[in-house]
Amino acid sequence: AQRVTQPEKLLSVFKGAPVELKCNYSYSGSPELFWYVQYSRQRLQLLLRHISRESIKGFTADLNKGETSFHLKKPFAQEEDSAMYYCALSGTAAGNKLTFGGGTRVLVKP
Amino acid sequence: GAGVSQSPSNKVTEKGKDVELRCDPISGHTALYWYRQSLGQGLEFLIYFQGNSAPDKSGLPSDRFSAERTGGSVSTLTIQRTQQEDSAVYLCASSQAAGNQPQHFGDGTRLSIL
Repeated sequence: AQRVTQPEKLLSVFKGAPVELKCNYSYSGSPELFWYVQYSRQRLQLLLRHISRESIKGFTADLNKGETSFHLKKPFAQEEDSAMYYCALSGTAAGNKLTFGGGTRVLVKP
Repeated sequence: GAGVSQSPSNKVTEKGKDVELRCDPISGHTALYWYRQSLGQGLEFLIYFQGNSAPDKSGLPSDRFSAERTGGSVSTLTIQRTQQEDSAVYLCASSQAAGNQPQHFGDGTRLSIL
C-alpha cells in the first residue's frame, strides 16, 4: 500500500524567513514524488516533481530514499507563497494514480 | 480548451437523488482521473481511465458510484441515491499518458447533499 504523510497542517512564517514542508511516504517500489499547490480560489497545480530536479518559484525538494522523505524547502518565503501544499506519490502500477498527503497550509505574514 | 473543464461548478441536491458530474480533459490527453476532496478524508483517488476503458476503479467507495468515458474524451461520474457523506469536491485530472506524466486538474465540482 502507498501512503503519504504531511505532519504539519499549518505552517506560519514571516516574509523572508525559510520555510520547510515535511513529507514522508511509504511505498514498496520506486515511487515518483510530486508537490502540488493550490492558491486561494485557484485549481490544484503541479509545483514540482522529483524526477525533474528543478527549482520552481524558489522551491526545491530532494527525494531521500533512506528516510523516505520528500521535504519542500524555500530559503526566503514570500507573501505570494501563502497556499495549500500537497505532497503526492505515484507508484509503478498501471495508471499511476496519485496518493496525496493531507496537505499543509502555509501562511506567510508580512 | 486551455485546461481541464468540469461542470457544474456547484451542485446542491437532495439526499436520494442521482447526480451526474462532467469532465472535459485537455485535448489529446489519453489518461483521465477522478479524485474526491472531502473534509474528513482529504484527496482520494476514485477511478482512472486510459482511453475509454477503466483499468483501475479501486477508489470508488460503493456501487452507487460509476463512471464512463466516451470517444476517449469526455467523462461523466454518476452517483446514484446520493447520501450526505457524498458531499465533497470532485476533481478531474488528465495527463498525456499514464506513464507518470504530470496530471492537470480541473476546478472541481462542489457537491452538497441536503
